[in-house]
Amino acid sequence: AQSVSQHNHHVILSEAASLELGCNYSYGGTVNLFWYVQYPGQHLQLLLKYFSGDPLVKGIKGFEAEFIKSKFSFNLRKPSVQWSDTAEYFCAVNPPNQGGKLIFGQGTELSVKP
Amino acid sequence: ETGVTQSPTHLIKTRGQQVTLRCSSQSGHNTVSWYQQALGQGPQFIFQYYREEENGRGNFPPRFSGLQFPNYSSELNVNALELDDSALYLCASSNPGKGGADTQYFGPGTRLTVL
Repeated sequence: AQSVSQHNHHVILSEAASLELGCNYSYGGTVNLFWYVQYPGQHLQLLLKYFSGDPLVKGIKGFEAEFIKSKFSFNLRKPSVQWSDTAEYFCAVNPPNQGGKLIFGQGTELSVKP
Repeated sequence: ETGVTQSPTHLIKTRGQQVTLRCSSQSGHNTVSWYQQALGQGPQFIFQYYREEENGRGNFPPRFSGLQFPNYSSELNVNALELDDSALYLCASSNPGKGGADTQYFGPGTRLTVL
């Protein structure tokens, strides 16, 4: 079945460590890609998105993601995490020819230790 | 804050009952999508409404239905509630044009508990 996979369910890092969260999808064709974040007690917020153009996209709060079409991947990165980055991170794909439907990964819980 | 509001915040129902959840979209947005987020899972697409018409549906049974109003607000109705319907229900608004895609902005959700 076509899907979105996030490799890590729970990641624990110390402050200042570098972060990379994996996301792979199984849809062919042109896709739109998103990373959303859900801070404790808050609603889903957009971190960054890729529709076309430069495959390295920058988002809010120092996050970036790289679209690698050949690998069907859209990994999220941050060079130096902060305690305030503790949250759940969701990768989402808008598959081709499916209107605005978003398919989400199962999420990665990030815990940053001060 | 995204400007997307949902009501109620929390709701407790018993099995077999019916529930209506409401969503007000962000100003200028004509499309509303509904998602179900079970505990520990990513959101799952229920359906989308564009200018008052259903514009795509996920793998949910017909007892999940919806409406969109002329002001682009929306309702999600669930009949014959089952225990597995317990989840966070998210509404997202966007302005993509029919068949298109755009960034979806999410509301805070309604937490539904079915006993």
